[in-house]
Amino acid sequence: DSGVTQTPKHLITATGQRVTLRCSPRSGDLSVYWYQQSLDQGLQFLIHYYNGEERAKGNILERFSAQQFPDLHSELNLSSLELGDSALYFCASSVVVGGGPYGYTFGSGTRLTVV
Amino acid sequence: DAKTTQPNSMESNEEEPVHLPCNHSTISGTDYIHWYRQLPSQGPEYVIHGLTSNVNNRMASLAIAEDRKSSTLILHRATLRDAAVYYCILSSSGSARQLTFGSGTQLTVLP
Repeated sequence: DSGVTQTPKHLITATGQRVTLRCSPRSGDLSVYWYQQSLDQGLQFLIHYYNGEERAKGNILERFSAQQFPDLHSELNLSSLELGDSALYFCASSVVVGGGPYGYTFGSGTRLTVV
Repeated sequence: DAKTTQPNSMESNEEEPVHLPCNHSTISGTDYIHWYRQLPSQGPEYVIHGLTSNVNNRMASLAIAEDRKSSTLILHRATLRDAAVYYCILSSSGSARQLTFGSGTQLTVLP
């Protein structure tokens, strides 16, 4: 157990639907990062939050949004889902911006399948 | 972030040392060298990182060239559980510092 909790572990949904992925960072970590991993794209950075504020955006589609709540957990919302959104979604946390001395801690991911 | 180059795949025998190379010829003075690995069906896992000096921890050693244009991750005794994709990543100390993953090196450990 890495200390980063992602739920659900698996999600199967239909095209056009909306889903919410949840991430609880490691205790004390203020930064949360979201990544998407598909077979043909590898690990792609989506978005970074630090203590409730958005800090950086990567290749995140307009159909996707995220937020980090006062208790530091984060949610990634995916809407108008397409078949190509099927992927593993990982959340990572770190104690300071930049990872500090111990790096980033990743969760075990949510596997999203859009049918 | 500066780019890194790694071999697509490597093989090693169990209980032998493994040297995983990484080239980063455009590294800047403030770039840290990070190594992560991803086991099948799991999230990436931090292995080690360094700036200029060689680093050791319980998992591995990181050897950094004097000109910092290359580095080598050393697994001292490979086990079957070390079979994974190993990523070498540069992260600037001045940026928001999300990690940018390349395609990594797929390490196969042979029994």
